[in-house]
Amino acid sequence: GQGVEQPDNLMSVEGTFARVNCTYSTSGFNGLSWYQQREGHAPVFLSYVVLDGLKDSGHFSTFLSRSNGYSYLLLTELQIKDSASYLCAVRMPNYNVLYFGSGTKLTVEP
Amino acid sequence: NSKVIQTPRYLVKGQGQKAKMRCIPEKGHPVVFWYQQNKNNEFKFLINFQNQEVLQQIDMTEKRFSAECPSNSPCSLEIQSSEAGDSALYLCASSPSIGGYEQYFGPGTRLTVL
Repeated sequence: GQGVEQPDNLMSVEGTFARVNCTYSTSGFNGLSWYQQREGHAPVFLSYVVLDGLKDSGHFSTFLSRSNGYSYLLLTELQIKDSASYLCAVRMPNYNVLYFGSGTKLTVEP
Repeated sequence: NSKVIQTPRYLVKGQGQKAKMRCIPEKGHPVVFWYQQNKNNEFKFLINFQNQEVLQQIDMTEKRFSAECPSNSPCSLEIQSSEAGDSALYLCASSPSIGGYEQYFGPGTRLTVL
């Protein structure tokens, strides 16, 4: 099977930062996407990376290391409303099917 | 914001009953994906289409599900004989091209099989 792993929970404090980790072991790789999902809502696309290194997109940044099968999503200047589940998904070469992790539930405390 | 429409939002069926859900992709998006998200938040890819043609599907979908994306009509996913293990959130996503990396998700249909 395709393995995409994420920690279940993460807590952080308003105004600081949070790093959401993702490790993957898949039979193919055509990029990695990050989605935000709030309870009872659809996943919302945040970022896509296919090359190694850090991609800075302001509030959200993403890092990828293909040789290590590792990515993280970095949220800076956290706000309470950033509390949500964050899903990483590996995009497969065949028809761009996404294989998702189970998501990390981020709780931002005051 | 995603403009993918899914109906119904909630569906309750008994075991053995048919369960049908629909999806209208974003306008101009020819590629449609169906995923199943269970209570443990685990996603499973079910099937995808480009226009009316099936691109890829898993074994379970081949055997117990029927799906189509007719032209000028909503896409649909139907479970022929529902099982308790089918209780999940069914998410439809569309993409502007098969090479596109963004998938836009609808709000999902939450199926409960009693």
